[in-house]
Amino acid sequence: SQQGEEDPQALSIQEGENATMNCSYKTSINNLQWYRQNSGRGLVHLILIRSNEREKHSGRLRVTLDTSKKSSSLLITASRAADTASYFCATEGGGSNYKLTFGKGTLLTVNP
Amino acid sequence: DADVTQTPRNRITKTGKRIMLECSQTKGHDRMYWYRQDPGLGLQLIYYSFDVKDINKGEISDGYSVSRQAQAKFSLSLESAIPNQTALYFCATSGGQGSGYTFGSGTRLTVV
Repeated sequence: SQQGEEDPQALSIQEGENATMNCSYKTSINNLQWYRQNSGRGLVHLILIRSNEREKHSGRLRVTLDTSKKSSSLLITASRAADTASYFCATEGGGSNYKLTFGKGTLLTVNP
Repeated sequence: DADVTQTPRNRITKTGKRIMLECSQTKGHDRMYWYRQDPGLGLQLIYYSFDVKDINKGEISDGYSVSRQAQAKFSLSLESAIPNQTALYFCATSGGQGSGYTFGSGTRLTVV
């Protein structure tokens, strides 16, 4: 069963524009993570935000977390063609529930 | 060398055959995971291991088994492969709760 659901499923933008992807989840979490996957390759960890954090930055990435709404967003600023990939959110539960549960992903296409 | 190495990269096998996918990591982490990815379904957890003596079933363990031969090695077996096990398989490792996962490049398995 999927814990996270990304929205939109696909997003197409022009180079230089910002890209925003959203993630909703169902149960309480310890942290939420975003991963990137280039076509058919392994996932790469981008950023992790803990449940007691509201916003985090890493380079051109900005992640927000609203635990009251059980939602997160990933913003990629000044996008580049090389940002074309699938982006997944994943949640890690609290207590002994250490497993990472992934959403279905957003396919981002950045057109040159 | 990659932090997480999966072999083989691609494999075609026949229905009913037993097949083993291997994973090794150089991160020195105790925690290792096997995920399956199908188009449009994100990643689903098959098995996970928090140390050499600890093996746990994930969401979709039926038809699969695992072996944790050492801290660095975690193999996945399909006892009797069937066509609906055709998928992309990923191994991952993590340093603990609140740590990002490091993924291998994946094994593309086709069962005919």
